[in-house]
Amino acid sequence: EAGVAQSPRYKIIEKRQSVAFWCNPISGHATLYWYQQILGQGPKLLIQFQNNGVVDDSQLPKDRFSAERLKGVDSTLKIQPAKLEDSAVYLCASRPGTSVDEQYFGPGTRLTVT
Amino acid sequence: AQSVAQPEDQVNVAEGNPLTVKCTYSVSGNPYLFWYVQYPNRGLQFLLKYITGDNLVKGSYGFEAEFNKSQTSFHLKKPSALVSDSALYFCAVRDKEYNFNKFYFGSGTKLNVKP
Repeated sequence: EAGVAQSPRYKIIEKRQSVAFWCNPISGHATLYWYQQILGQGPKLLIQFQNNGVVDDSQLPKDRFSAERLKGVDSTLKIQPAKLEDSAVYLCASRPGTSVDEQYFGPGTRLTVT
Repeated sequence: AQSVAQPEDQVNVAEGNPLTVKCTYSVSGNPYLFWYVQYPNRGLQFLLKYITGDNLVKGSYGFEAEFNKSQTSFHLKKPSALVSDSALYFCAVRDKEYNFNKFYFGSGTKLNVKP
């Protein structure tokens, strides 16, 4: 079974530029998550999709971050414009959707904003 | 509110010795608890989970965890540490109040196993 795919793996941009991350979850997984992991901290949920609908985006900075999950499969996360404090690893995870299942994580995208 | 706490930023242990990585939780009702491991430049990998039943849960790579309801703890253990166990470990709990598919992660504990 293929795992969660993410691209790019690394990205360096200047502040005020825009950037987009892509995630392809495990086939058939209904729930998709985007997390932000700042160095030395645990993952913080940015947004959670159930199929192609948003379930929780309470911690997404909506003035600069946006995300979509077209057709309930792939997802993109965009930052525009980026700030220095956005430097972090952005993790995508998916779950089949049953209550006892664990999450499956992708390798992450390390973003550096200079 | 649901939450987990990992009181130790770092744990140091010698190879061959037993290891414990601590986690305490705060959740209403019976919790669903998880442990993940993160190696450098990698995503989180699932180790084990407690849903119900036996308080001692066995997982991947020889790890196990003990659920203690009275102490609201879910400590990760291994009888004999390996250098290759050196990594970042995260405890997580599933939301049981508002969003059953939401998970809360601890701040992580860095495990250093010295040869």
